[in-house]
Amino acid sequence: GQNIDQPTEMTATEGAIVQINCTYQTSGFNGLFWYQQHAGEAPTFLSYNVLDGLEEKGRFSSFLSRSKGYSYLLLKELQMKDSASYLCAVIQSTSGTYKYIFGTGTRLKVLA
Amino acid sequence: GAVVSQHPSWVICKSGTSVKIECRSLDFQATTMFWYRQFPKQSLMLMATSNEGSKATYEQGVEKDKFLINHASLTLSTLTVTSAHPEDSSFYICSVSPGASGYTGELFFGEGSRLTVL
Repeated sequence: GQNIDQPTEMTATEGAIVQINCTYQTSGFNGLFWYQQHAGEAPTFLSYNVLDGLEEKGRFSSFLSRSKGYSYLLLKELQMKDSASYLCAVIQSTSGTYKYIFGTGTRLKVLA
Repeated sequence: GAVVSQHPSWVICKSGTSVKIECRSLDFQATTMFWYRQFPKQSLMLMATSNEGSKATYEQGVEKDKFLINHASLTLSTLTVTSAHPEDSSFYICSVSPGASGYTGELFFGEGSRLTVL
C-alpha cells in the first residue's frame, strides 16, 4: 500500500514564503511531482523530483529526500493567485507498470 | 505540453442511467491513461489504469462492473458510469502518460467532467 500525507490547509500572507510538506510511504518509488489545482479545474504541473535535492523553477522550488520519504514545495513571493490546492504525487512502479498516486492535498489561502 | 480533451465537461443525469465520459489524446499516442475521481475538497483518487488493447487495471475498492473502461485506440479512452446513483456524483478526470509503458514523465490532464446524479 501507500500513504502520502500533506497538511490539509495552510494560510499565508501575500509576499511571504510558504513551505508545503509531503511525506510518503510507498513501494517502487520512481519520482515525485507537485501539481497546482484551482477549484473546478484540472491540475497543472509544477515540478518533478526523482533524485535527492532541490529543484528550482522561478518562484517555486521542490525538494526531495528519498531516504526520509519526504518532499516539500516552497513558494516564494506569494501572490493572491497562488491560492489553490497543491498536490504531491508519487510514481509507483511495480513489475514494469506504473501509476501516479496523489497525496491528500493542501489548500493554500493567500491573504492580502 | 500534450493536449488532452475530455468530454463532456459536465453532465446531469437521473439515478439509474449510464453516463459515458471520453478522454482523447490529441497530439500523441497514449498507451496508458489514468482515470481519477475527486470529491469536493479532497484529492485525486486513482480509479483505474486504462491500457490500450487490454483490460483496465482497477484500484482496490473500485467496482469494475460499475465503472467500465474501454481503451480501444491509442488516442481514446472512455469511462462509463453504469446505473449511476447520487453517491457517484463527483469530478472525474483523465490523465495521459505519453509514449510506451514504462515512461514516468509528466502527467497531462483532461479538463475533467463533473457528474451530478439526481
